[in-house]
Amino acid sequence: AQSVTQLDSHVSVSEGTPVLLRCNYSSSYSPSLFWYVQHPNKGLQLLLKYTSAATLVKGINGFEAEFKKSETSFHLTKPSAHMSDAAEYFCVVSHIDFGNEKLTFGTGTRLTIIP
Amino acid sequence: GAGVSQSPRYKVAKRGQDVALRCDPISGHVSLFWYQQALGQGPEFLTYFQNEAQLDKSGLPSDRFFAERPEGSVSTLKIQRTQQEDSAVYLCASSSPGQGYSYEQYFGPGTRLTVT
Repeated sequence: AQSVTQLDSHVSVSEGTPVLLRCNYSSSYSPSLFWYVQHPNKGLQLLLKYTSAATLVKGINGFEAEFKKSETSFHLTKPSAHMSDAAEYFCVVSHIDFGNEKLTFGTGTRLTIIP
Repeated sequence: GAGVSQSPRYKVAKRGQDVALRCDPISGHVSLFWYQQALGQGPEFLTYFQNEAQLDKSGLPSDRFFAERPEGSVSTLKIQRTQQEDSAVYLCASSSPGQGYSYEQYFGPGTRLTVT
């Protein structure tokens, strides 16, 4: 079975400082991993995905994540936070079932940006 | 182009009422997924369709929940005899295999159901 653990339910950073959102995964085989962002009253949006290619994955809006198999981690980072980054972030693991992806979400990390 | 749309965006139901939630996927997307997101939690898988076939309904919490996609496009999630624990945001997503391994799911804005 696949699962993800988001280590922080809430993270606050000042505008212009680095962002780190932590995620650990559990998977019985090589996983596909994702980060999604959810802004209030908007749909979930894919930030980036890892599918066993390069371990450092670059996404939209300056975010990136590094897959570390030895640590079973897939932490999300951004060098400089912007006010528009305030949202809920979900780490997601998937497995292929009947030819389609079945996603398992973490419980989310709420990111607050301090002006 | 148009994304995934869901209606209604908000629904208040009295306990015991039946509700129907609609999802319009992206045109041409073969796969459609329903998720339930309780307050403060991540979305949880309910069911998925490939065209009109419901291939997996393992996440439906009880037999009061029923989903259909009769013509392989629009889908409806029906909840009978709603209970307070059904209060959640119901998310719909669609995807189209053929975009390579790891098919991105595109999510709608969700329907927030409140059972009073």
